[in-house]
Amino acid sequence: QVQLVQSGAEVKKPGASVRVSCRASGYTFTTYGITWVRQAPGRGLEWMGWISPYSGDRSDAQNFQGRVTMTTDTSTSTAYMELRSLGSDDTAIYFCSISDGGSVDHWGQGTLVTVSS
Amino acid sequence: DIQMTQSPSSLSASVGDRVTITCRASQGIRNDLGWYQQKPGKAPKRLIYAASSLQSGAPSRFSGSGSGTGFTLTISSLQPEDFAAYYCLQYNSFPRTFGQGTKVEV
Repeated sequence: QVQLVQSGAEVKKPGASVRVSCRASGYTFTTYGITWVRQAPGRGLEWMGWISPYSGDRSDAQNFQGRVTMTTDTSTSTAYMELRSLGSDDTAIYFCSISDGGSVDHWGQGTLVTVSS
Repeated sequence: DIQMTQSPSSLSASVGDRVTITCRASQGIRNDLGWYQQKPGKAPKRLIYAASSLQSGAPSRFSGSGSGTGFTLTISSLQPEDFAAYYCLQYNSFPRTFGQGTKVEV
């Protein structure tokens, strides 16, 4: 079955960077783009960006442009999201997911990133 | 960017109630819309895709309708496990955008 397994919780200082991984299994990794979504405490879902493991095409939300880098490693079926220049408002749970316009929709378990001095 | 305006932000309901949540897109998105349920501490789960298609495994009391700019999620008879947050997501164009969410409470 399809699984997306994310890396563990992180605690970072303001100004630092964090890299979250998302290891996929149960399907051909290049078939679906990887989407990153985050949720700050008590807040709604925020779409961060998308990357195609097949072509490398990507799209970032304007809020994160210049601060986020999404990559994929097809040899290990793993996607990565790096967020730089962290501030306290980046404290959130970060999710990876795959979906299509049809019935496919799978999510990772989420990774808590805490930014604190 | 396409803005998704979701309402209400919260609602109070009882088991057995019919519940309706709406999303309005700032421009036409055909039927490229999904509805998600999220419970505290968990990843979202999609209930509806393509505006009105029921996701495999989702209960049939959930239904979606709409096209273009106006969309609705309906829960025909609210069950105890349905108390959660609900979000719409447009996937017509990049960047994708979520509605602000609706918290369904007792």
